Amino acid sequence: GDSVTQMEGPVTLSEEAFLTINCTYTATGYPSLFWYVQYPGEGLQLLLKATKADDKGSNKGFEATYRKETTSFHLEKGSVQVSDSAVYFCALRNTGGFKTIFGAGTRLFVKA
Amino acid sequence: DSGVTQTPKHLITATGQRVTLRCSPRSGDLSVYWYQQSLDQGLQFLIQYYNGEERAKGNILERFSAQQFPDLHSELNLSSLELGDSALYFCASSAQGGQGSYEQYFGPGTRLTVT
Repeated sequence: GDSVTQMEGPVTLSEEAFLTINCTYTATGYPSLFWYVQYPGEGLQLLLKATKADDKGSNKGFEATYRKETTSFHLEKGSVQVSDSAVYFCALRNTGGFKTIFGAGTRLFVKA
Repeated sequence: DSGVTQTPKHLITATGQRVTLRCSPRSGDLSVYWYQQSLDQGLQFLIQYYNGEERAKGNILERFSAQQFPDLHSELNLSSLELGDSALYFCASSAQGGQGSYEQYFGPGTRLTVT
């Protein structure tokens, strides 16, 4: 079945460091891919999405590119801030499916 | 604020008891989803309703049940509670309920503690 695998956390970075959170997926067909973010004490919010191969989703300085050849959707940000400390979830929704499959989440800590 | 509301915010109860969690979706959204988030299991999809009908089922235990009412709010019923049911329960809603790249909007969650 469909699945999403994320790098284990926590990831601890200093402010202004470069961030990469790896995400790979297994799915038949052409899924839509998402990154959601969960700030402390809150529900998940959509951060960005991509719907087809080579699409780049971007928002708030975060980017992720849909790579079908490597079945990956890695999240990147050039310069993180303390306010980016949160849990990040990679997810997919497959064509013809009703479920959104979430990865386990990666916790990010950014130190001042 | 996502527009999705959940009540109560916190719930503490004893093993063997039954509780009901309530969710009101964003205005106009027809689809409601329930998720369970625990430290060891991550975010688990439980069940989805679309315009009052069950649309998809995930890892939902037989002790758990849900429904969506004509006004589109939803309730998740958890019975014969066990210590392992302690978790954050999220409700999400979306305008659509099938395939596509639409966004799900999550509520703030209900934290259930079973003692």
